[in-house]
Amino acid sequence: GQQLNQSPQSMFIQEGEDVSMNCTSSSIFNTWLWYKQDPGEGPVLLIALYKAGELTSNGRLTAQFGITRKDSFLNISASIPSDVGIYFCAGQPRAGGTSYGKLTFGQGTILTVHP
Amino acid sequence: DTAVSQTPKYLVTQMGNDKSIKCEQNLGHDTMYWYKQDSKKFLKIMFSYNNKELIINETVPNRFSPKSPDKAHLNLHINSLELGDSAVYFCASSLGRTGRYFGPGTRLLVL
Repeated sequence: GQQLNQSPQSMFIQEGEDVSMNCTSSSIFNTWLWYKQDPGEGPVLLIALYKAGELTSNGRLTAQFGITRKDSFLNISASIPSDVGIYFCAGQPRAGGTSYGKLTFGQGTILTVHP
Repeated sequence: DTAVSQTPKYLVTQMGNDKSIKCEQNLGHDTMYWYKQDSKKFLKIMFSYNNKELIINETVPNRFSPKSPDKAHLNLHINSLELGDSAVYFCASSLGRTGRYFGPGTRLLVL
């Protein structure tokens, strides 16, 4: 099955700094999603990417769907304390085959922001 | 509020018991899922239903049985609970293959 490697596993940054995290896959995905999970809550969808090369922003967040279809990154600019949480990437293969509809999650990046 | 809701939020029970978790979405989505998040926060798909039909059934013990009475509901029944079943279970929904929208989770602790 697909393998997703998300890095870094954790980050400790100062408020105001920019953050970058990425995911790489051993196989091709047709959809990349980025989620944030706050303690005691479910993951919340931040950005969805559906085309190779696509660059999408959501406020201070920017994510890109890699040209090879095997990677994606998420940038957070000018971090603030409420950015704290676990960020997950997730990838979904193309339609058809036994993997259809299966969303594979990365291991998560734990972000800590010091005021 | 439009959302994915699930009950209960916390579930503490003895080994060997049978329990159910309920999920409802009012987003008009046609696909619903159950995910399990372990102690290391890894999220893994368990089941997926599209228009009440089972489309994904991962390698999950058959003690776990999902039931979808209609497109807006997907319940999870667990028989003969074991210690290793302790985890957070998330319901999610989507419109086709688009991004999943997750519920708040059910924290299951088996003693």
